[in-house]
Amino acid sequence: VQVLESGGGLVQPGGSMRLSCAASGFIFSSSAMSWVRQAPGKGLEWVSTITGSGGNSYLADSVKGRFAISRDNSKDTLNLQMSSLRPEDTAVYYCAKALLQSRGYYSYMDVWGSGITVTVSS
Amino acid sequence: QAVLTQPPSASATPGQRVTISCSGSSSNVGSNTVSWYQQVPGTAPKLLIYNDHQWPSGVPDRFSGSRSGTSASLAISGLQSDDEADYYCAAWDDSLNGYVFGTGTKVTVL
Repeated sequence: VQVLESGGGLVQPGGSMRLSCAASGFIFSSSAMSWVRQAPGKGLEWVSTITGSGGNSYLADSVKGRFAISRDNSKDTLNLQMSSLRPEDTAVYYCAKALLQSRGYYSYMDVWGSGITVTVSS
Repeated sequence: QAVLTQPPSASATPGQRVTISCSGSSSNVGSNTVSWYQQVPGTAPKLLIYNDHQWPSGVPDRFSGSRSGTSASLAISGLQSDDEADYYCAAWDDSLNGYVFGTGTKVTVL
């Protein structure tokens, strides 16, 4: 069971970037998936979660209107489209297999990728 | 924008017990189950406890979790040197309609 992020790098403020996460070893379409980020020297910050079917998605207020989460269950791939990027979006972005049940009563992230770095700078 | 409050640090000698608190509100810890994550610096977080007190496969029972009211706690007994890491609590927040993490606690083995 693993997830592997790709697509990070350096982008200018105001620019766009797309992160992807390839999943393997589990039934992808049955699993919610999340993105979590960690700015340099800071704690963990939840970014977004999408349900297994893709029918419901949730975004942190800090990225709402700028980021969009999506998934392709035919390719076992999770995506995070980031636009209007700001220096404060600089972080390591983690993809994680998640559980979200009973309207959030049960929630956790049990498989994490190694993370990918996004740097927003001119 | 951490919503759950944890002490910034905790320490103990090898073999001792350390406890980490996680304080939230009625919309998160007071309503939903809590999970705990261990992060060794420079590596990805690892799920340590889920559904307040359950262990994923491979996590030793030296780690235990509990929740009461709007607070939760993680206890590490028989502290070992490789327990040195940052620990985060987390829960779904009904008001924010999103997941919230704690501020994180750095555990040091003296």
